[in-house]
Amino acid sequence: GEDVEQSLFLSVREGDSSVINCTYTDSSSTYLYWYKQEPGAGLQLLTYIFSNMDMKQDQRLTVLLNKKDKHLSLRIADTQTGDSAIYFCAESIYNTDKLIFGTGTRLQVFP
Amino acid sequence: GAVVSQHPSRVICKSGTSVKIECRSLDFQATTMFWYRQFPKQSLMLMATSNEGSKATYEQGVEKDKFLINHASLTLSTLTVTSAHPEDSSFYICSAAGFPGLRSNQPQHFGDGTRLSIL
Repeated sequence: GEDVEQSLFLSVREGDSSVINCTYTDSSSTYLYWYKQEPGAGLQLLTYIFSNMDMKQDQRLTVLLNKKDKHLSLRIADTQTGDSAIYFCAESIYNTDKLIFGTGTRLQVFP
Repeated sequence: GAVVSQHPSRVICKSGTSVKIECRSLDFQATTMFWYRQFPKQSLMLMATSNEGSKATYEQGVEKDKFLINHASLTLSTLTVTSAHPEDSSFYICSAAGFPGLRSNQPQHFGDGTRLSIL
């Protein structure tokens, strides 16, 4: 079945870049997503990438997709304390509207 | 951006009570809505998928008589936790996808979640 894995924790200094990694198993996924969850809140869609793209940049966010290795990453430039949250990657299941979520990466930004 | 409103944000009630949670898409028509459950420090677990005007599709292991889902209009879906018990305490999150859905680049947008605590 589908499986999406992420590292559990990442700690970075304010102003540095953060890179959050994700691996997935379903090679037929159409879209891959990154969501942000702050404590006690729902999920905020940050960005998404179509499976035939290698890279997508949106302001401070850069998504890289290595389809051969089924590896997705999210780079946050100039990380701020307000970026501290849990980040989930998710893959769409082929021919459905469902998403499979990763385990989530807790990003902690320190001054 | 797309807005999904979920109410209530927090519920505390006694064991045996039934609790209804509403999920509304405020600025788009949601042909499909999803209900998730999230345990502390864990990822989201999909409970069911609901399409407007039809019965919800439940994931394996989710009791449909326990978690009643109604999607009566293109902007509203409800989840009712019937005869709730302490083990039903959790964070419940809904999401909505507009027409024509993920397969055509309509991402899911999430509500802010409902924290349910059963005493």
